[in-house]
This record gives sequence, structure tokens and C-alpha cells, in this order.
Amino acid sequence: AQSVAQPEDQVNVAEGNPLTVKCTYSVSGNPYLFWYVQYPNRGLQFLLKYITGDNLVKGSYGFEAEFNKSQTSFHLKKPSALVSDSALYFCAVRVPGSGGYNKLIFGAGTRLAVHP
Amino acid sequence: DTAVSQTPKYLVTQMGNDKSIKCEQNLGHDTMYWYKQDSKKFLKIMFSYNNKELIINETVPNRFSPKSPDKAHLNLHINSLELGDSAVYFCASSQAAGKSYEQYFGPGTRLTVT
Repeated sequence: AQSVAQPEDQVNVAEGNPLTVKCTYSVSGNPYLFWYVQYPNRGLQFLLKYITGDNLVKGSYGFEAEFNKSQTSFHLKKPSALVSDSALYFCAVRVPGSGGYNKLIFGAGTRLAVHP
Repeated sequence: DTAVSQTPKYLVTQMGNDKSIKCEQNLGHDTMYWYKQDSKKFLKIMFSYNNKELIINETVPNRFSPKSPDKAHLNLHINSLELGDSAVYFCASSQAAGKSYEQYFGPGTRLTVT
């Protein structure tokens, strides 16, 4: 079955330290992968995506993600965390939907808490 | 200049009632979606429309009926509301269907059924 997993419910990091939010996937064919962020009482905001090409993808707010095909992972990273990065982060993968159209399935989300 | 907007933001109603949520996008996108986010923040697609045509219909009770009057609008009508329908409902849009375009989400509608 096609799926996406975020193994950590919460990640805690001190401000200024690097952060990593983990994501692994299981899909047939080439994966199309996305990261979204959700701030409290807000909708999801797109951060970045991997479609093809360079395994290191750069996105909004200084975030980047590394695609690793052999480990089927797409971890989100940032070199220096900010308190304002505290939010809920979702990894998503494109999978076939009904009628030949694709859809996104989302991981369960990882809450990032950045402490001053 | 809001990209994807939803009304209402909050909806509190009793079991058995019928309610609607409206969504509009001004991005010129062809494809729109409804998602349900439960109390554990798990997010799941319900429906998708492409140029007013229903293209994705997940396993959703038929009490839920989406309608797209034009490609900028996607509404969700829910009949005979149940306690389990309590959730946050998000509308989203993307440039096209079947491609790898990112989706833009609305602010959500928090539905509480009592």
C-alpha cells in the first residue's frame, strides 16, 4: 500500500540549532513529495516539493529537504531554527486517485517546538 | 487579496441539521479540493473538482455533497449532521489536476456538531 510516515509526533530544538523533521514514503514509481506547514488555526502552507532532479530541494523560510531514494526518505531541514518556526509540519506524497487523477496523501504531522 | 477563502470560519450546529460551507479561489486555478482534518490533525482528501467536473470522490458518506458552480467556487453541503462530522474542513486549489502542482489551502472551517 502506498503511504507516507512521519515517525516523530514532536521534535524539540533550541533556537539557533539545526532541525530535522523526518518523513519516509512508500509508493510505486517515481515519488512526488511535498512539505507543508500549518500554524495554529490556519490552513496549510506549501514549503517545498521534490519532483525530479537535484536531491536537495530549497523552499520557503530557509527550509530545505533531502530526497534519498535508497532510504525512501524526504527529511525536512533547516540550518538554524527560529522560535517562529514552531508549527505542525506535514509531509505528503502524490499517489494515484480515482479516474486516473492523482491525489496527495499526508503524513500524520510532526509538531516542531523551538525553544528560546 | 485572499487566495483561497472559506465561509464560515466557525460553524456550530446540532445533530440532524443540514449545513453548507463555501469556498472561493482567486488564483485562476483549475482544480479545487475538500479535505477533512480530524481532532488528531490527520488530514484526508474528500473530493476534488477539475473545471467543475468531479474527479476524485473518496469514501465519504453520501450525506456530503460537493458542488462547483464554476471553477473558482467549490461548496460542500452536509445533510443530517452527525457528531462524527465535527472536524476542520479545508478547501484547497491547484493550478491543474494530474500534475505535480502544489496546493493552496484556505483557512479552514471548524465544524462542531452537538
